[in-house]
Amino acid sequence: AQTVTQSQPEMSVQEAETVTLSCTYDTSESDYYLFWYKQPPSRQMILVIRQEAYKQQNATENRFSVNFQKAAKSFSLKISDSQLGDAAMYFCAYRSATVAGNQFYFGTGTSLTVIP
Amino acid sequence: NAGVTQTPKFRVLKTGQSMTLLCAQDMNHEYMYWYRQDPGMGLRLIHYSVGEGTTAKGEVPDGYNVSRLKKQNFLLGLESAAPSQTSVYFCASSYTPTGTSYGYTFGSGTRLTVV
Repeated sequence: AQTVTQSQPEMSVQEAETVTLSCTYDTSESDYYLFWYKQPPSRQMILVIRQEAYKQQNATENRFSVNFQKAAKSFSLKISDSQLGDAAMYFCAYRSATVAGNQFYFGTGTSLTVIP
Repeated sequence: NAGVTQTPKFRVLKTGQSMTLLCAQDMNHEYMYWYRQDPGMGLRLIHYSVGEGTTAKGEVPDGYNVSRLKKQNFLLGLESAAPSQTSVYFCASSYTPTGTSYGYTFGSGTRLTVV
């Protein structure tokens, strides 16, 4: 099975500053997708950004961008101009593009605190 | 609003009691999943279904059963609850034909406490 590792259980950032959350994964597949999900205190899981492995260009969604390093199996999330509403648990997730069932594999999460 | 609805949102059970968690989606998704979320362990897959009438085991299936009699519903059952099953349970659905990158649509979760 694939494994996803988030080595930073907790991170903090000053409001308006930039923070990077790390994620590494282990797979023998060449075709897959990577995601970052946000879970605020409301518990709702919200998709932040996704990346197709076959695309070399890093995905960007407004203040959120990723640094995808396929050879290194690394998928970090950069949050620019951090806002108080960004405070949440962030999960990195992997999904195969070919395996039946297509289930996601999640990391253990990084709790982000935004300091006013 | 279209989405995934989980019921109930909270429940307290006594050890040995049984219960069923209901997940309903109105997006005509083929794939549905049940995860449990525990502190420091992320989300772990319990069971999943790739279509009506089909189910399969995930990473942590012991102590749980599931059924998918209708495409829109995915039920998770606990026959004899144990304190180790205290967790937050998430249902998710996905339209995942091979080659697409759609993510999951999650329900809002069920917090279950077994005492």
